[in-house]
Amino acid sequence: DAMVIQNPRYQVTQFGKPVTLSCSQTLNHNVMYWYQQKSSQAPKLLFHYYDKDFNNEADTPDNFQSRRPNTSFCFLDIRSPGLGDAAMYLCATSYRRDTQYFGPGTRLTVL
Amino acid sequence: DQQVKQNSPSLSVQEGRISILNCDYTNSMFDYFLWYKKYPAEGPTFLISISSIKDKNEDGRFTVFLNKSAKHLSLHIVPSQPGDSAVYFCAASTEYSGGGADGLTFGKGTHLIIQP
Repeated sequence: DAMVIQNPRYQVTQFGKPVTLSCSQTLNHNVMYWYQQKSSQAPKLLFHYYDKDFNNEADTPDNFQSRRPNTSFCFLDIRSPGLGDAAMYLCATSYRRDTQYFGPGTRLTVL
Repeated sequence: DQQVKQNSPSLSVQEGRISILNCDYTNSMFDYFLWYKKYPAEGPTFLISISSIKDKNEDGRFTVFLNKSAKHLSLHIVPSQPGDSAVYFCAASTEYSGGGADGLTFGKGTHLIIQP
């Protein structure tokens, strides 16, 4: 089945230790997004790629970076995770305005 | 500044009855509205969307109504089933949100509980 895959599902890292979250898609969608969702809050857009064009939200901390080496893969790098970065990270894809398809998410714990 | 608001954190409905989930927005530039369903430890699942040029969209048991003048939309689920118990997110997009992207602005969600 075509889908959005996120690895790992659960990630534990230490304070300040760089971590990379992975997203892949078999949908061949041209747009990929990363959202952060903290407990009991709304998912918040961090950035997205429209094909190879990177679009950063104005309030996304510099600590968060992203890479999209090809259409299928997109990575979220957190250079120096803090305790406040513990959250669910959701990857999504889209090819049209009226929907986005989400992966299952990666739950990040920072110790 | 919360541009998409879901003012009911939870809603309890009896099985077989109608569930009505509400959403308000403040940004008049939003032109697409989407509803997602989310189970614990899973990503959001797309349910239904509506363009701002329409006032109603229907898909099976799910109907979304949009009142642009009131900046209000609602999701109706008829009849409600036990499997509908989940958190429902309202989301909106504009071509100019997210730095020119189609990124979604989400509400905080409403936890729908279907009682047998």
